[in-house]
Amino acid sequence: SAVISQKPSRDICQRGTSLTIQCQVDSQVTMMFWYRQQPGQSLTLIATANQGSEATYESGFVIDKFPISRPNLTFSTLTVSNMSPEDSSIYLCSVEANGYTFGSGTRLTVV
Amino acid sequence: LAKTTQPISMDSYEGQEVNITCSHNNIATNDYITWYQQFPSQGPRFIIQGYKTKVTNEVASLFIPADRKSSTLSLPRVSLSDTAVYYCLVGASLNDYKLSFGAGTTVTVRA
Repeated sequence: SAVISQKPSRDICQRGTSLTIQCQVDSQVTMMFWYRQQPGQSLTLIATANQGSEATYESGFVIDKFPISRPNLTFSTLTVSNMSPEDSSIYLCSVEANGYTFGSGTRLTVV
Repeated sequence: LAKTTQPISMDSYEGQEVNITCSHNNIATNDYITWYQQFPSQGPRFIIQGYKTKVTNEVASLFIPADRKSSTLSLPRVSLSDTAVYYCLVGASLNDYKLSFGAGTTVTVRA
């Protein structure tokens, strides 16, 4: 299965600012996915990112708030924009390569 | 995706067998059943997948009755390191790209 490196592992940010999370995969993958896991909750899919096309967002998530880049088949970024304390969560990327592999997540705290 | 229902939590002791049952009454004919494990501060990790009857690997066994409306994940002889959240997912094949996570079952193993 693929190996994912996700950065940063954690951050504390001021409200109103933005944070970009990076996801690097050790092999080329078609689909990359971004999830949010709020404190004590399960995972919720934010969007699906395919290389060469715009990301597809799930209900409740919009591009202005969570812009995603997918410049090549091994890399993606998720930006959490204009943050508020409600955005405090763990953000995880995932890829499909002979099964699903998840990054270790980015723990974001907005103060 | 078929909705799943699992117990919120289960307690066990080292060396015991832990069985977690997941209900998925609306499972479709081409749906597979997949279980993931998530440790604190990590992304979910694939454990096992099955379609019917019984599947066993080095980590767990998965029992699926003939009607496929439920499944049971069996963890033999658990240790403290098996303390985690276990998610049951139902979808069309290992590579069903829209993974939909339910609440999961928090398994706590005590010495």
